[in-house]
Amino acid sequence: GEDVEQSLFLSVREGDSSVINCTYTDSSSTYLYWYKQEPGAGLQLLTYIFSNMDMKQDQRLTVLLNKKDKHLSLRIADTQTGDSAIYFCAEKTLRNTDKLIFGTGTRLQVFP
Amino acid sequence: GAVVSQHPSWVICKSGTSVKIECRSLDFQATTMFWYRQFPKQSLMLMATSNEGSKATYEQGVEKDKFLINHASLTLSTLTVTSAHPEDSSFYICSARDGYGYTFGSGTRLTVV
Repeated sequence: GEDVEQSLFLSVREGDSSVINCTYTDSSSTYLYWYKQEPGAGLQLLTYIFSNMDMKQDQRLTVLLNKKDKHLSLRIADTQTGDSAIYFCAEKTLRNTDKLIFGTGTRLQVFP
Repeated sequence: GAVVSQHPSWVICKSGTSVKIECRSLDFQATTMFWYRQFPKQSLMLMATSNEGSKATYEQGVEKDKFLINHASLTLSTLTVTSAHPEDSSFYICSARDGYGYTFGSGTRLTVV
C-alpha cells in the first residue's frame, strides 16, 4: 500500500539549515512534492522533483531524492522565522495517477 | 502561476443546516479537483475527486450523500455538507490539478454548533 512518513517536529535556530525528511513505500512514484502550510491556511507548493532526478535546487531550497531507499529530503538554507510552518511531502504514483498521497507533516519551528 | 480561490474562509452553522463551499480555478481550467479534510495537527485526508461533467469519486468511508460534490464547469467545484453536525467541524481544502502539479485553495474552517 501507500505510506508516506515524516518526522513530526523539527526545531532550528535562525540562520541554520533545516533538513526535513520523508520516506515513502510506493516505488512507482512519478513526482514528489513539498508543500508548506501556515496556520489556518491552505498549502503552498514549494518545489517538486521528478522521480528520475536525484537533486533539485531552487534558491534556498534543495531537494534530494534517493529512489533506492525511497527517501526524500528538503533542505532549507539560512532558515528564517518566516519559515516556521508545517511541511508536507506528497507523492504522485503510477498506481494513483490523479491523487496525491500526503505525508504526516513536519512542524518546523525556527527560534531566534 | 495557477490560483485556486476557495470560499468562504470560515463558516459557523447550526446543526442540521447545510453549508456550501466553493472552489474556483481563476486562471486555468481544471477538469479535476480534489476535496480534502484536515483535522487539527494532522495531515490531509482525501475525501473525493471531482471531475467536470461527471460524478465525483469518493474515497472509502466518505459518505457521498453527506458530502455532495458538484463540478458543473471547468472552473468551479462545490462541496455541500448536508445536515451538518458538530463532528463535521473541520478544515476543508480543495485543490486543482494544473499540468504537472496541484494548486490548493486557502481552506475553509467549518464550525458546526
